[in-house]
Amino acid sequence: EAGVTQFPSHSVIEKGQTVTLRCDPISGHDNLYWYRRVMGKEIKFLLHFVKESKQDESGMPNNRFLAERTGGTYSTLKVQPAELEDSGVYFCASSQARLGGEQFFGPGTRLTVL
Amino acid sequence: AQSVTQLDSQVPVFEEAPVELRCNYSSSVSVYLFWYVQYPNQGLQLLLKYLSGSTLVKGINGFEAEFNKSQTSFHLRKPSVHISDTAEYFCAVSERGSQGNLIFGKGTKLSVKP
Repeated sequence: EAGVTQFPSHSVIEKGQTVTLRCDPISGHDNLYWYRRVMGKEIKFLLHFVKESKQDESGMPNNRFLAERTGGTYSTLKVQPAELEDSGVYFCASSQARLGGEQFFGPGTRLTVL
Repeated sequence: AQSVTQLDSQVPVFEEAPVELRCNYSSSVSVYLFWYVQYPNQGLQLLLKYLSGSTLVKGINGFEAEFNKSQTSFHLRKPSVHISDTAEYFCAVSERGSQGNLIFGKGTKLSVKP
């Protein structure tokens, strides 16, 4: 069974540009989470989908970030326009059960904004 | 608000020595507790979790952790480490009854030397 995959693995862009990160969860997992780790800081929650619906987006930094999950399958996270402070590693995770269920993480996308 | 503190950012240890990685949390409600490990260039992998029941939890790769409610701690231990245990370890909590999003500590880098 394939795990959570993320694309691209690395992205280097200039300030003001747009970047779209993609996450493919494990097949059948209704819950999809995005997290971010800025260098030297802890991994922080961004948002949570259940199927195609956003359940909790309290961690989204600002309106430059837009997440979608078309048809309840893969998810994209778009940053537009990117700023220097958006640099970090973006992780995606998926799970079947919500309460205490294991979240399976992807390898992350390392975003560098110059 | 919930928070997780990992008291050691780096832990160097010799092979076959015991190790303890410390984790304390703060929460006004009951939580689930997790330890994740990240090997180089990989995603986070669940080592173990505490949901309820016995406070001593055994995980993969010979790791175990003990939930101490009075001290709000969930320290991770292994009696004898291997070179292959070199990785970054993350303690995390999620609030019971929440959407399942995880709150992480800053991570502890375990370096096992021969």
